[in-house]
Amino acid sequence: DAGITQSPRHKVTETGTPVTLRCHQTENHRYMYWYRQDPGHGLRLIHYSYGVKDTDKGEVSDGYSVSRSKTEDFLLTLESATSSQTSVYFCAISDGQGSDSPLHFGNGTRLTVT
Amino acid sequence: KQEVTQIPAALSVPEGENLVLNCSFTDSAIYNLQWFRQDPGKGLTSLLLIQSSQREQTSGRLNASLDKSSGRSTLYIAASQPGDSATYLCAVRRSGATNKLIFGTGTLLAVQP
Repeated sequence: DAGITQSPRHKVTETGTPVTLRCHQTENHRYMYWYRQDPGHGLRLIHYSYGVKDTDKGEVSDGYSVSRSKTEDFLLTLESATSSQTSVYFCAISDGQGSDSPLHFGNGTRLTVT
Repeated sequence: KQEVTQIPAALSVPEGENLVLNCSFTDSAIYNLQWFRQDPGKGLTSLLLIQSSQREQTSGRLNASLDKSSGRSTLYIAASQPGDSATYLCAVRRSGATNKLIFGTGTLLAVQP
């Protein structure tokens, strides 16, 4: 699992409530990513980080925000959860941007918004 | 817009068979292509990464090939085992982009003992 811990592993929440998912890595990798996985859509990038306090949007960033105050932690926040955000969320890390730099994934957080 | 397709969506084979999984992409301007394995309830495990300048990569019983001009990659699994049962995903990274991957929807492989 390349030293990646996601918490919580499962969460059920109600529409309109805020939710924060955490990704913690022990690899000291510079780059961190949040993806969501949905049937029929595969994995899609939400946000990514290229360093402490440096973040950027992915292809499905609406309704999500992120923060990275330390190299090892990357937080994903749903300010006001909606049912369309029910999904499995994966954190990924990479140590570089070269063509030989693979992504390594955590085990995911299953989020259900009722 | 880059689109990645994996066909078939599901495949069942008897143990010991050699098999090929297919991945196609619409834009040949890729930086690299990565194959992953996903077990139920788990994250993705990186299997092989092929850089755009490479034609193939091998790891144990796995061999991945890349043909950029035709927009295709294949993952060859030799002498399949029940433990190979999983979903296999391919993902491409666009040239010049940060390490943002475009994923296919995967092929669910079942190897029957």
